[in-house]
Amino acid sequence: DAKTTQPNSMESNEEEPVHLPCNHSTISGTDYIHWYRQLPSQGPEYVIHGLTSNVNNRMASLAIAEDRKSSTLILHRATLRDAAVYYCILRDVPGNTPLVFGKGTRLSVIA
Amino acid sequence: GAVVSQHPSRVICKSGTSVKIECRSLDFQATTMFWYRQFPKQSLMLMATSNEGSKATYEQGVEKDKFLINHASLTLSTLTVTSAHPEDSSFYICSARASGTDRSPLHFGNGTRLTVT
Repeated sequence: DAKTTQPNSMESNEEEPVHLPCNHSTISGTDYIHWYRQLPSQGPEYVIHGLTSNVNNRMASLAIAEDRKSSTLILHRATLRDAAVYYCILRDVPGNTPLVFGKGTRLSVIA
Repeated sequence: GAVVSQHPSRVICKSGTSVKIECRSLDFQATTMFWYRQFPKQSLMLMATSNEGSKATYEQGVEKDKFLINHASLTLSTLTVTSAHPEDSSFYICSARASGTDRSPLHFGNGTRLTVT
């Protein structure tokens, strides 16, 4: 799987938007961009994924650069419960393959 | 939505004993499950891929005789840490994807925190 680069940590104020960046300059044409997050002492949970177009769901939005070499996960209004480690992962489909986790971004939310 | 249940959530055992961790897919079938290990302040590291009805595939550096994996049904995989030692203390996490849905997200259990004394 192609490598991704994320900042080690970010901080946000509660109820403000958060933009979590991810660089993936070696992405291939068939790689999907996945975001997962891991709350303290829990297993990771799926957040969102996309291929080329921007994606929205109830948790977040995913903005994908036109050249697909970077993407941004957007939390529209951060809450204290959003404090977690966010992982940006590239995955080529098909194939029932595991996810390979990098170090992710640790998001702190300040009340 | 799809749920993966992991049991126990935490276990403390003495050095030299064995511990079994169960991973169940509650509302879907999974021909493949994945086992990860996470040490404090580190990311998840893939240990092995568990295949229903066949042998597991282990990542480089993971001892297959120490970490026994059994995937006897489409909804259950077990990881047994044999002759556990303090260095095996870690957070073990399983995951699965519904069979036949390669594009769907992976679902993760809530992890098992193993402490070996």
